[in-house]
Amino acid sequence: SQKIEQNSEALNIQEGKTATLTCNYTNYSPAYLQWYRQDPGRGPVFLLLIRENEKEKRKERLKVTFDTTLKQSLFHITASQPADSATYLCALDQGGGFKTIFGAGTRLFVKA
Amino acid sequence: NAGVTQTPKFRILKIGQSMTLQCTQDMNHNYMYWYRQDPGMGLKLIYYSVGAGITDKGEVPNGYNVSRSTTEDFPLRLELAAPSQTSVYFCASSPTSGGGEGTDTQYFGPGTRLTVL
Repeated sequence: SQKIEQNSEALNIQEGKTATLTCNYTNYSPAYLQWYRQDPGRGPVFLLLIRENEKEKRKERLKVTFDTTLKQSLFHITASQPADSATYLCALDQGGGFKTIFGAGTRLFVKA
Repeated sequence: NAGVTQTPKFRILKIGQSMTLQCTQDMNHNYMYWYRQDPGMGLKLIYYSVGAGITDKGEVPNGYNVSRSTTEDFPLRLELAAPSQTSVYFCASSPTSGGGEGTDTQYFGPGTRLTVL
């Protein structure tokens, strides 16, 4: 079955630097891949979606890449700020929204 | 719009007790979902619904039941609470499925933290 691997270790970076988070999957490439942000004690919030035929997607300071050869997506936050500190979840489509699977997430800490 | 609302925010149950977790959305979304999130684990799908009167099992349905009598409401029932059901429960909704951005995006509620002792 499809598995998602996100770095379980927290990522600590200095304010102003670029944060890069990794999402790897194990089997077939999904039709699309999503990234969500989750703050402590809250539900996930959608950030970006990238389709399998798209190499890169941008939204303000966020950039997502999707490499179906490597079975990997990278999530970048440029000019990071302490307010970007949160857990970021990767989610894969398996053929319909109700078949979306979520990774465990990577915790990001941005120090001022 | 309030989006997706869940009640209660916190609950402590004793083993064997029952309870219903409430979920309501005001976005007229067809699809609704229940997930549980355990520490260090990804969200696990418990049940989902594609419309009023239609529900189906997800990855971890044992010990839970759902109903969907209206588009807005999707309650989750725990019949005989067990310590293994200690978790944070999230309800989510989406407009439809299979169409890409804006359609498959899921909108989550704030969660219910449940402890079974």
